Amino acid sequence: EVQLVESGGGLVKPGGSLRLSCSASGFTFSYFGMNWVRQAPGKGLEWVSSISSSGSYIRYADSVKGRFTISRDLANNSLSLQMKSLRAEDTGVYYCARAAVAAAGLVGWFDPWGQGTLVTVSS
Amino acid sequence: EIVMTQSPATLSVSPGERATLSCRASQDVDSNLAWYQQKPGQAPRLLIYGASTRATGIPARFSGSGSGTEFTLTISSLQSEDFALYYCQQYNHWPPVFTFGPGTKVDF
Repeated sequence: EVQLVESGGGLVKPGGSLRLSCSASGFTFSYFGMNWVRQAPGKGLEWVSSISSSGSYIRYADSVKGRFTISRDLANNSLSLQMKSLRAEDTGVYYCARAAVAAAGLVGWFDPWGQGTLVTVSS
Repeated sequence: EIVMTQSPATLSVSPGERATLSCRASQDVDSNLAWYQQKPGQAPRLLIYGASTRATGIPARFSGSGSGTEFTLTISSLQSEDFALYYCQQYNHWPPVFTFGPGTKVDF
């Protein structure tokens, strides 16, 4: 069974940093691109960042560019999101989502998704 | 930047009825559109990709259509488990920026 389990969320002050992790199992991690998508409380989905299967191609939403860094550890089947200079508007549930198909490039539809980890940025 | 819009914001229907949800892209995205379902407290679930291809395990009552800028998700006969939020997402733009619509809530 494909599983994605996020961790690392919590309460952080504005300007602070946090590192999210996503542990993947049940599939060949190195074959699939991975993604982070967030959802502010009571709001819709916002794509945050994507990384290709090999890690060589990375994209960010303009809202997080220069503050967030996505990476993957192929040896440990894990995905990370390093978040710096956090703002109140970064508050929300952060989902890890796998590309729906195995490919070398970025695949834009996502399946499955993890259950999410909550990040709260507040003083 | 491609902007996605969805209508209506809320769709009130009864079980057994047909539901038609619309999604519009501000630019041509060809058939590079996906639909997701999200229930309260749960992660989104992929329903449709390529505008009209059902994902694995998705019931046949869900169907997608459209291309270019206008898309539709149809639920032919609503079941109680279908009352949820539905999001469309485009993945056409190069360089890749994967934009979601604001969602349509399907309720009683």
